[in-house]
Amino acid sequence: KAGVTQTPRYLIKTRGQQVTLSCSPISGHRSVSWYQQTPGQGLQFLFEYFSETQRNKGNFPGRFSGRQFSNSRSEMNVSTLELGDSALYLCASSTGTGFRGDTQYFGPGTRLTVL
Amino acid sequence: KQEVTQIPAALSVPEGENLVLNCSFTDSAIYNLQWFRQDPGKGLTSLLLIQSSQREQTSGRLNASLDKSSGRSTLYIAASQPGDSATYLCAVNTDKLIFGTGTRLQVFP
Repeated sequence: KAGVTQTPRYLIKTRGQQVTLSCSPISGHRSVSWYQQTPGQGLQFLFEYFSETQRNKGNFPGRFSGRQFSNSRSEMNVSTLELGDSALYLCASSTGTGFRGDTQYFGPGTRLTVL
Repeated sequence: KQEVTQIPAALSVPEGENLVLNCSFTDSAIYNLQWFRQDPGKGLTSLLLIQSSQREQTSGRLNASLDKSSGRSTLYIAASQPGDSATYLCAVNTDKLIFGTGTRLQVFP
């Protein structure tokens, strides 16, 4: 079974631009979560989607948004990029049905650099 | 507020040693705890998941224990190998994963 895939793997943007990242979960998984990883803050939860609905949200500004499609694929968007948004963005999928007991499977991440 | 701490932050050992990595958390109201491995610049690989009702889980040379009442988990790696070199992260699951800062492990031949 194919793992979690994320595209693109690397992105370079300039301040003020916007960016869209994509995540395809493991087949059959309905929950997709997004995390930001930086050297200073470590891994932080952004949001979770299940069946096209945002089920949980972390403490990030409104510039960070996401959505999920009917095939469970998810996108996250960051508008008005800031230098501090440079990070590795990780997507994780799980079945979602057990919710709190599910194993999270992570993708390889998208490395975003903001210049 | 849930906080997760991992000790030590870094560890360098010769091949063949048995290792213990520690993870502590401040709020025992968790659903489960998961240990991950991360290679440089890569995503996370799930190693073990322990449900809150469980005491330990084993997979090959890895054994993880959970003491929810004291807010502690340990990851035991038996007979370490150079291929085990990576950063090891623990994460507690409340309604989202809250990660520790990781232990960077280097196993030298």
